[in-house]
This record gives sequence, structure tokens and C-alpha cells, in this order.
Amino acid sequence: GQQVMQIPQYQHVQEGEDFTTYCNSSTTLSNIQWYKQRPGGHPVFLIQLVKSGEVKKQKRLTFQFGEAKKNSSLHITATQTTDVGTYFCAGRTNRDDKIIFGKGTRLHILP
Amino acid sequence: GAGVSQSPSNKVTEKGKDVELRCDPISGHTALYWYRQSLGQGLEFLIYFQGNSAPDKSGLPSDRFSAERTGGSVSTLTIQRTQQEDSAVYLCASSLGPGDGYTFGSGTRLTVV
Repeated sequence: GQQVMQIPQYQHVQEGEDFTTYCNSSTTLSNIQWYKQRPGGHPVFLIQLVKSGEVKKQKRLTFQFGEAKKNSSLHITATQTTDVGTYFCAGRTNRDDKIIFGKGTRLHILP
Repeated sequence: GAGVSQSPSNKVTEKGKDVELRCDPISGHTALYWYRQSLGQGLEFLIYFQGNSAPDKSGLPSDRFSAERTGGSVSTLTIQRTQQEDSAVYLCASSLGPGDGYTFGSGTRLTVV
């Protein structure tokens, strides 16, 4: 079945350093979404990418969708303590309406 | 309402008992989803409702799990004869349509003792 792999599983960075998490799918995706889950909270929708090669920015966050629509990345510039949490990618194929979540990357910021 | 509402927020039950978890989605959202999240783990898909279509039950782990959505709005997830491995946070989400971002509820933390 469809799988969405996300790496790394954990990332510790010093405050102010950059952070990137990568998402790879075994099948071509129609779109990909990114969510953030703060410790003790629930996932919150960040963004959706639809087009091949699409790049979107939200302040210090940059999201990319690969040309083949099988991979995606989230890059955070100059991390802050408020960035702590788990970042999930979630992909949808043309065959299915539901999205499949990756296992997430847990970001920990060292002060 | 303004967001997705789930109840109860916490549920402790004895092994073998049945439990019902409730989800009240955002008004007007046609799609409703149930996911399960074990401590520190990812989100496991359980079931998906879209409008009046037959639900996608492909993620339900066993026949002890069932869900319904009444009137295209409120949904109830029922777990019969609970087992300790059912302990997790059960998250409900809704979206305007199947191609839109999900809004999650705060979840129900189920503990089976």
C-alpha cells in the first residue's frame, strides 16, 4: 500500500540554526500537506502543495514539492523555541481521498 | 461550532468494556476522519466519511471497532471489548472537502486498564 516516509525521526538543533525535514512517497501524490503538532497538542494544518515543483513560504518556513510529486521538504530558517514540536507530512494519491501521514519529525530546540 | 469538538477528553475504562467516542465536526465540513495516535507515534488512519458515500473503513484494526456518522454531522467511534493495546489518543478531523486541509479536534485519550 501507499507509504509516506519521513526523515529524520528526531532532530535537535541550537536555537538560531536551520532545520529541514524530508518526506518521500512510494507513489506519485496528487498533493501533500504539512502539519505541526506541539507537545501535548493536536496536529494543526500548515499548508498544502499541489503543483509539481511548487515552493511556498510562510515567514521562516519554506515548503517544497518535488518535480516528480513524490517528495517534499519543510525548511525552517533560524529556529526559535516556538518551533518545537512534531512536523508531519501527509500525502494524497489520485486513487484515494484520504491522506496518509508520515511518522513525523520531532524537533527539539536547544537554548 | 468554531472548531472540531471531541468528547470525552479523557476516558479510563476496564479491559473488556465498550467505549463510545464522540466527534462534532465543523459545520459545513463534508469530510470526517478518525485517526489514532499512540504515545510519541504517528497518526494511524482508522475511518473516513465523505458526505453520503459509504465510509472508507480500511483502517479499522479489528471488527471490535466501528463508527457511524449521523445526519452528515456528528460521528461516534465505538470500541467493543476494549483491550490494553487500544490505549491511545483518538483524533477526529474534518475538512471542507476531501482535497482540503484537516482541522483536528483535541482528541480523546483512552486508557484501558
